[in-house]
Amino acid sequence: TQLLEQSPQFLSIQEGENLTVYCNSSSVFSSLQWYRQEPGEGPVLLVTVVTGGEVKKLKRLTFQFGDARKDSSLHITAAQPGDTGLYLCAGAGGETSGSRLTFGEGTQLTVNP
Amino acid sequence: GAGVSQSPSNKVTEKGKDVELRCDPISGHTALYWYRQSLGQGLEFLIYFQGNSAPDKSGLPSDRFSAERTGGSVSTLTIQRTQQEDSAVYLCASSFTTGAYEQYFGPGTRLTVT
Repeated sequence: TQLLEQSPQFLSIQEGENLTVYCNSSSVFSSLQWYRQEPGEGPVLLVTVVTGGEVKKLKRLTFQFGDARKDSSLHITAAQPGDTGLYLCAGAGGETSGSRLTFGEGTQLTVNP
Repeated sequence: GAGVSQSPSNKVTEKGKDVELRCDPISGHTALYWYRQSLGQGLEFLIYFQGNSAPDKSGLPSDRFSAERTGGSVSTLTIQRTQQEDSAVYLCASSFTTGAYEQYFGPGTRLTVT
């Protein structure tokens, strides 16, 4: 079974702090996506990274794909209460998953005002 | 345009009953996925449909679970003889095609088996 492990599982921080969420696998993926999910809603795509070593920035969010395309990180600068949610990474084109996405367990982020 | 819609939004059923969950994907999307999500957890893949190809059923947890997609559009996930461990949020997503393309999710159906 192909796994994506996310860490930490839970994160509670104060407004203005920085944080990093990690997504690791022993398998290679052709691309990796990050989603954010709020209670009662489905996940919403934040970014897709496809090239090893790629870095993408989305306002205060920075996403990085590892050189070997086995891991990724999400860094949030100066977190705000509106960043609260469940962050999910998902790999596509893995060695066993083929064309469907394999999701990590998620990181539940709480940003306190 | 309209996003992915799912119905019902909530379903409470007694153990042993059958349930049907419906998904209306975004018009023109050829790929449709079903996932299951337990409280605060990641998404467990169940099944996906791509155009007229045979569906990938590799994620269905037992033969009590089945799904169909009629006319390449609406999909129905059926759970027969529901068990308490089937309680979860069932999410549907669609995309233009499979692979790395963005998946658009519906709000989910929260199933509670009592």
